[in-house]
Amino acid sequence: DIQMTQSPSSLSASVGDRVTITCRASQGITNYLAWYQQKPGKVPKLLISAASTLQSGVPSRFSGSGSGRDFTLTISSLQPEDVATYYCQKYSSAPLTFGGGTKVEIK
Amino acid sequence: QVQLQESGPGLVKPSQTLSLTCTVSGGSISSGNYYWSWIRQHPGKGLEWIGYISYSGSTYYSPSLKSRVTISVDTSKNQFSLNLNSVTAADTAVYYCARWPNWDPFDYWGQGTLVTVSS
Repeated sequence: DIQMTQSPSSLSASVGDRVTITCRASQGITNYLAWYQQKPGKVPKLLISAASTLQSGVPSRFSGSGSGRDFTLTISSLQPEDVATYYCQKYSSAPLTFGGGTKVEIK
Repeated sequence: QVQLQESGPGLVKPSQTLSLTCTVSGGSISSGNYYWSWIRQHPGKGLEWIGYISYSGSTYYSPSLKSRVTISVDTSKNQFSLNLNSVTAADTAVYYCARWPNWDPFDYWGQGTLVTVSS
């Protein structure tokens, strides 16, 4: 089964900083990669599908890139409301594995 | 607008079976190429996919839980259910149901329900 490895597991950055989270699949998944944002006590929210397609209503400071095994979620200018945990997930086929998550905090 | 709602006991004793139901509204569970999933999240931890069922009853379970999990569907009630047997405290988690459209990410989620395993 394909494993999804996210890094870092947590980060602290200042408002306005550029933040990058990586996700690596143990085998190629073409672009069947999603990114979710989860705030405490809330349901995960889909930010990006197909590795780079921004969902409607998601701020343009979020972007995704990559294909095959290596993927990146970038927040171009970190805002206080971006404090959350971010998860990648493969959906090419079952099992529909999530990455371990990256907790983003404000410094 | 499709909505999913989990229901079931919030407290289960060790060694017993955890049983949850997800009721789908705003659309038929039998329509479209969808797979109805269960996902859980241990307190303070990440998301763990448990498995899915199609409207026709085909299933796929996480290898780590396969020996203890059964997912079933009741199309007449527009519901699907999760049974997890021989539970321990390690199964304490928020359990979510969600819809997987196949070849796309999960598009609808329930609000989640906390299940605590304790005597």
